[in-house]
Amino acid sequence: KAGVTQTPRYLIKTRGQQVTLSCSPISGHRSVSWYQQTPGQGLQFLFEYFSETQRNKGNFPGRFSGRQFSNSRSEMNVSTLELGDSALYLCASSLEPSGSSGANVLTFGAGSRLTVL
Amino acid sequence: QKEVEQNSGPLSVPEGAIASLNCTYSDRGSQSFFWYRQYSGKSPELIMFIYSNGDKEDGRFTAQLNKASQYVSLLIRDSQPSDSATYLCAVNSRDSSYKLIFGSGTRLLVRP
Repeated sequence: KAGVTQTPRYLIKTRGQQVTLSCSPISGHRSVSWYQQTPGQGLQFLFEYFSETQRNKGNFPGRFSGRQFSNSRSEMNVSTLELGDSALYLCASSLEPSGSSGANVLTFGAGSRLTVL
Repeated sequence: QKEVEQNSGPLSVPEGAIASLNCTYSDRGSQSFFWYRQYSGKSPELIMFIYSNGDKEDGRFTAQLNKASQYVSLLIRDSQPSDSATYLCAVNSRDSSYKLIFGSGTRLLVRP
């Protein structure tokens, strides 16, 4: 059974550019969550999607956006990149949304490491 | 106050010892508690989860939950150098619309 697949794994951008990251969840998983991980802040929740709808959003500026497609694949976009956006972006999938039941376990992808110069 | 707090460590223990990792949380309505392990340069992987007060054992790992005191802990028995990693506590918080909130993690070093 394939795990959570994130692409690209590594990318370098310059300030002001925009970036799109992709996440393919485990087959059958309908919920996708995105997290930003930095050494100083740890894992910070970005958003969660279920059935193409955003269910939850973290405390990030509007430059961070996402969407989910009918096949449960998800993308996140960051516009007008800033140096502070350099981070590991992790996608995690689960069968159901976070609050649906206690058995909802997140499985993480390998992440997309973004460097902003 | 952070929603989920962990001591950043490093916690250093000798091989074969018991490692005790602690986590406190702020939302009394939290229902689900997870421990993830993250090796350097890798993504987090689930070790175990717990919902009810008390202990839950899985091999060398035991999770302990005390909702009255709002803490959850992870015990690793017979620690091995391969257990050296960062351990992340995660809480499914009602205050946060039930999204999974992670602590900043505790780095564990197991000395051979």
